[in-house]
Amino acid sequence: GESVGLHLPTLSVQEGDNSIINCAYSNSASDYFIWYKQESGKGPQFIIDIRSNMDKRQGQRVTVLLNKTVKHLSLQIAATQPGDSAVYFCAENGKDSSYKLIFGSGTRLLVRP
Amino acid sequence: NAGVMQNPRHLVRRRGQEARLRCSPMKGHSHVYWYRQLPEEGLKFMVYLQKENIIDESGMPKERFSAEFPKEGPSILRIQQVVRGDSAAYFCASSPIPTSRGNTDTQYFGPGTRLTVL
Repeated sequence: GESVGLHLPTLSVQEGDNSIINCAYSNSASDYFIWYKQESGKGPQFIIDIRSNMDKRQGQRVTVLLNKTVKHLSLQIAATQPGDSAVYFCAENGKDSSYKLIFGSGTRLLVRP
Repeated sequence: NAGVMQNPRHLVRRRGQEARLRCSPMKGHSHVYWYRQLPEEGLKFMVYLQKENIIDESGMPKERFSAEFPKEGPSILRIQQVVRGDSAAYFCASSPIPTSRGNTDTQYFGPGTRLTVL
């Protein structure tokens, strides 16, 4: 079936380094993608989003890249900080609707001091 | 502007009891979504509601589960005769009405209700 998946379940980085979290999606009709951050015991927190008519979008310390050719999404975090430690999910809106978000399985980011 | 609110944050039920989970969307949002999350997994869509209407309940089990979003008050996710397999975190999200400012596709999540069935 259609799904959103991630290449790495756990990513460990040194504080101050840049982090890259990857996500593969299979639904070519998806036109909206979101990255969420989820800390332990909390709900998903919106980080950044991107529409399919763009290939790059930047926020504060974060950049999302979308490669529709290979159906790949990535989240780049600059100067990773201990507070960035969390599980990161990518989500897509699928082909049938704009509301039914399909989540990937998540990548755990661990920041080493 | 308060975010999405959910209560209770933690709920313990014995098998066979009923669980009621409440969600108040962000101010100005009239679209509500419920998701379920098992440990170490991503969120799975359950149901999408607007005021007094269920738009899509395709992700919700046909039996024992129901949801509503009345004209007044919070959205309620109700699980009857709970079983151990219902233990999970249940998240509510909301998004703006189509005619308001903001991206209507972006969903903002509440802190969740963690349901434990003994």
